[in-house]
Amino acid sequence: LAKTTQPISMDSYEGQEVNITCSHNNIATNDYITWYQQFPSQGPRFIIQGYKTKVTNEVASLFIPADRKSSTLSLPRVSLSDTAVYYCLVGDGRGSTLGRLYFGRGTQLTVWP
Amino acid sequence: GAGVSQSPSNKVTEKGKDVELRCDPISGHTALYWYRQRLGQGLEFLIYFQGNSAPDKSGLPSDRFSAERTGESVSTLTIQRTQQEDSAVYLCASSRTGSAEAFFGQGTRLTVV
Repeated sequence: LAKTTQPISMDSYEGQEVNITCSHNNIATNDYITWYQQFPSQGPRFIIQGYKTKVTNEVASLFIPADRKSSTLSLPRVSLSDTAVYYCLVGDGRGSTLGRLYFGRGTQLTVWP
Repeated sequence: GAGVSQSPSNKVTEKGKDVELRCDPISGHTALYWYRQRLGQGLEFLIYFQGNSAPDKSGLPSDRFSAERTGESVSTLTIQRTQQEDSAVYLCASSRTGSAEAFFGQGTRLTVV
């Protein structure tokens, strides 16, 4: 399974755009990149998933370069409520032989007023 | 139900006792996961069920841990002869076949004294 590396923590201020980059040098051809968000005392929540180029939804954007060895989660205009741990996962989450999802330590994002 | 339900929400047990944790997944979700999260740490994969396939038990830390699932419904995680290092939040998640979007329960906080 591809190992992921992401910063342990990041700080931002309300209204700013936040970009969290995840490295996954050993990503396999059939691997997807998925991001989750976890608030204190809650289970993680799915944010976004992508395979290549750019994916955008109502919450975030995911940028994946051509070599797919990294990905960047972009949160536009963060607010205090975006303070959470963000996890980058790489794996075949599309129901093939590897259905399990591996979470690392994640990135603790703290948004200040 | 509307979401993944776990019970109990909190459990305090004495060292050496057995405990059973329950997870009710979202109806129709064929995949079910168990994770362990120690304080301040990321999620540690324990076990994965996918339909009627043999479960992936590769994450279970010792033979004191076991899990069962009845068809595509309820799952129980059993920890025998609990130890203090078993203290953690145990999270259950479910997803549809072929989806990387897993829905997590609120977790069971286990404290072994």
